[in-house]
Amino acid sequence: NAGVMQNPRHLVRRRGQEARLRCSPMKGHSHVYWYRQLPEEGLKFMVYLQKENIIDESGMPKERFSAEFPKEGPSILRIQQVVRGDSAAYFCASSPRRGETGYTRGGYTFGSGTRLTVV
Amino acid sequence: KQEVTQIPAALSVPEGENLVLNCSFTDSAIYNLQWFRQDPGKGLTSLLLIQSSQREQTSGRLNASLDKSSGRSTLYIAASQPGDSATYLCAVRSNNAGNMLTFGGGTRLMVKP
Repeated sequence: NAGVMQNPRHLVRRRGQEARLRCSPMKGHSHVYWYRQLPEEGLKFMVYLQKENIIDESGMPKERFSAEFPKEGPSILRIQQVVRGDSAAYFCASSPRRGETGYTRGGYTFGSGTRLTVV
Repeated sequence: KQEVTQIPAALSVPEGENLVLNCSFTDSAIYNLQWFRQDPGKGLTSLLLIQSSQREQTSGRLNASLDKSSGRSTLYIAASQPGDSATYLCAVRSNNAGNMLTFGGGTRLMVKP
């Protein structure tokens, strides 16, 4: 069980470029979550996805950010026209499928994160 | 809106001490609470998960308690070791927030040899 895999581990982009961050959930997990950790701040929720479906994107900035979790392949967090303020660690987590109560019973498993630096 | 606070923000102790990290949350309607460890520049490692119906969970030298009615959880670390030095994060899943976790700001722990 390889756990939650994120790549790249480190990503450097110039202002105005695009950043693509990838996340492969744990085997058997069908829920993916993205969190952002700004320097000296706590982790903040960004978006929650299931396969081919965005469930909750209430934490996503309204512009330049998008996320997808296609039927095949990893989940992608895409940041267009990056700015210095986007520099942060981006973490992906996954959890098992929902139980009957509508909530997943297990805890979250987090990946090692992608550290984005915008220069 | 759920808010999670961790006190203290930083803690430095000599090796061997028993210590307690505190986490409080404003909305007691939670589904579960999870404690994580984060090493500098690394990801999060899950330590303990407490469901809302439980009062405590134990793993090795770690014990986490949950008092849902008062909105508090504590993480107790027995016989601390230098290898315990890390940031400890408390995260709450609220009943009315779907599957989203709300994190506290963390406690930075330094255990000195």
